[in-house]
Amino acid sequence: NAGVMQNPRHLVRRRGQEARLRCSPMKGHSHVYWYRQLPEEGLKFMVYLQKENIIDESGMPKERFSAEFPKEGPSILRIQQVVRGDSAAYFCASSPGSRVSTGELFFGEGSRLTVL
Amino acid sequence: SQQGEEDPQALSIQEGENATMNCSYKTSINNLQWYRQNSGRGLVHLILIRSNEREKHSGRLRVTLDTSKKSSSLLITASRAADTASYFCAFNDMRFGAGTRLTVKP
Repeated sequence: NAGVMQNPRHLVRRRGQEARLRCSPMKGHSHVYWYRQLPEEGLKFMVYLQKENIIDESGMPKERFSAEFPKEGPSILRIQQVVRGDSAAYFCASSPGSRVSTGELFFGEGSRLTVL
Repeated sequence: SQQGEEDPQALSIQEGENATMNCSYKTSINNLQWYRQNSGRGLVHLILIRSNEREKHSGRLRVTLDTSKKSSSLLITASRAADTASYFCAFNDMRFGAGTRLTVKP
């Protein structure tokens, strides 16, 4: 049973370009979380999605950032017009149940975005 | 949203010693989880403790929860160099504390 798969593992973008990060949850998991982590810092919650629904996006910047989790295919975190401050590791996690009832989260290995 | 604080921010000990990390929170919780992150890797779940539990064990790990003080602690006994990692607590809204960076020296 494959774990949470994130790609690309490393992404380099120039300022103003778009970054798309993909996350395939574990089989049978319908809940996905995205986090951002700066070096030597903790995980900052960004967004919590269920298939076809955004449940909680209170951690997402109001502009340039969006996330989706379609009925088919991976969850996508999209960053438009990237700036140097977007450089970070972005982690995805999945769970089989809702945030209220969930047990553990299963994490991917992260996507490291570098903005030149 | 839940906010948590962990202390210490960093901890350095010798192999064989015990390591204790603490996590405090502000609002009521249903459960609290501890995770480990090796440098540059994804987080791995260690243990979950529910709000009606006071203590839980898993191998060399011992977690306590004091809901009256809104705090939890993670104890790693007989530490090993391989325990070197960052440790995070997470709350039922899946927000994480800032983490404790543990270094175990051989």
